[in-house]
Amino acid sequence: GNSVTQMEGPVTLSEEAFLTINCTYTATGYPSLFWYVQYPGEGLQLLLKATKADDKGSNKGFEATYRKETTSFHLEKGSVQVSDSAVYFCALKDGTSYGKLTFGQGTILTVHP
Amino acid sequence: DGGITQSPKYLFRKEGQNVTLSCEQNLNHDAMYWYRQDPGQGLRLIYYSQIVNDFQKGDIAEGYSVSREKKESFPLTVTSAQKNPTAFYLCASSIEGTGSYEQYFGPGTRLTVT
Repeated sequence: GNSVTQMEGPVTLSEEAFLTINCTYTATGYPSLFWYVQYPGEGLQLLLKATKADDKGSNKGFEATYRKETTSFHLEKGSVQVSDSAVYFCALKDGTSYGKLTFGQGTILTVHP
Repeated sequence: DGGITQSPKYLFRKEGQNVTLSCEQNLNHDAMYWYRQDPGQGLRLIYYSQIVNDFQKGDIAEGYSVSREKKESFPLTVTSAQKNPTAFYLCASSIEGTGSYEQYFGPGTRLTVT
């Protein structure tokens, strides 16, 4: 079956540091890939997505590239802010299972001033 | 503004009681979903609905039930048969379930059963 593996957390950074959160996946066919963000006590918000190999999703300074050869979709940001502190989830949706998103376990990011 | 509302934000129940969590959307989406979130884990799909009067079990449907009588509403009942009901429950919707359409999430309901 499908699965998503995220790097172990939590991740603690100083403001303006470079961020990478690793995400690898196992899926049949050609899934769509997503990064969602969850701020404390809230639901999830879509951060970015990519629907085919070599696509780059980007939003709010975050970006991730769909790498089929390494089955990866790593999240990066060049300079994090305190307001980026949240839980980040990598997820995939394949073409065979209706609507279902398969999530990674989430990575807690804390950014200190 | 369009969106998804879930109520209440916090819910407390005694063991052995059924409890119903509300989910309403005004996005005119056909598909709706219920997920469960536990600490240190990703979200797991409980039930989903493609269209009114139709719903399907997800990965962890045991001990839960749903209905979809209206397009806007997809309530989830946590029954006494659910062995570990304490969790954060998230409702989501999308235009439809096929393709790569984004799922929009509600703010969640935190259920505590003692």
